[in-house]
Amino acid sequence: ELKVEQNPLFLSMQEGKNYTIYCNYSTTSDRLYWYRQDPGKSLESLFVLLSNGAVKQEGRLMASLDTKARLSTLHITAAVHDLSATYFCAVESGYALNFGKGTSLLVTP
Amino acid sequence: GAGVSQSPSNKVTEKGKDVELRCDPISGHTALYWYRQSLGQGLEFLIYFQGNSAPDKSGLPSDRFSAERTGGSVSTLTIQRTQQEDSAVYLCASREGLAGMDTQYFGPGTRLTVL
Repeated sequence: ELKVEQNPLFLSMQEGKNYTIYCNYSTTSDRLYWYRQDPGKSLESLFVLLSNGAVKQEGRLMASLDTKARLSTLHITAAVHDLSATYFCAVESGYALNFGKGTSLLVTP
Repeated sequence: GAGVSQSPSNKVTEKGKDVELRCDPISGHTALYWYRQSLGQGLEFLIYFQGNSAPDKSGLPSDRFSAERTGGSVSTLTIQRTQQEDSAVYLCASREGLAGMDTQYFGPGTRLTVL
């Protein structure tokens, strides 16, 4: 059974600071996704990572994938309040997504 | 263009009743998925449709759950004899194809409350 673990599960950070969210998974997969969810809303796709060493950046967020280590990271640079949300990583297995438990991020002034 | 739509947005039902949840995928997307999200279990895969192939039902939690997809487009998830543990947000997602850079696009969800 594929297991996906995210840490931390809760993160409170000040505006302007940097931080990294980690996503570990238990079996081989070359497709990893990051989603954002705002309270009461659905999932918004952020990044699709398809190969070892893949790196994607959008604004203050950068995601990377190391398939050999079975690890993806989501790095936040100079956080702003608008980034407050829950972030999920998901690993594809047989076309379905297996999600981590999510990281609830709160960015404070 | 239009995204994935789901109806109803909220559904409150009594234990033991049947419910139907509807999903309209993005036009042209061949793959359709159902997931549910609950506080205790997080996000769980339920069922997957791809074109005219037999669906992958491996995530359905019990035989009270079933789903169909008519004409390769609209899908209905049916829960029979609802139980309180079925309370969750049911999310539908669609995807254009099986390879490449495409991702799963999620609908707004149906919040199901079983009293």
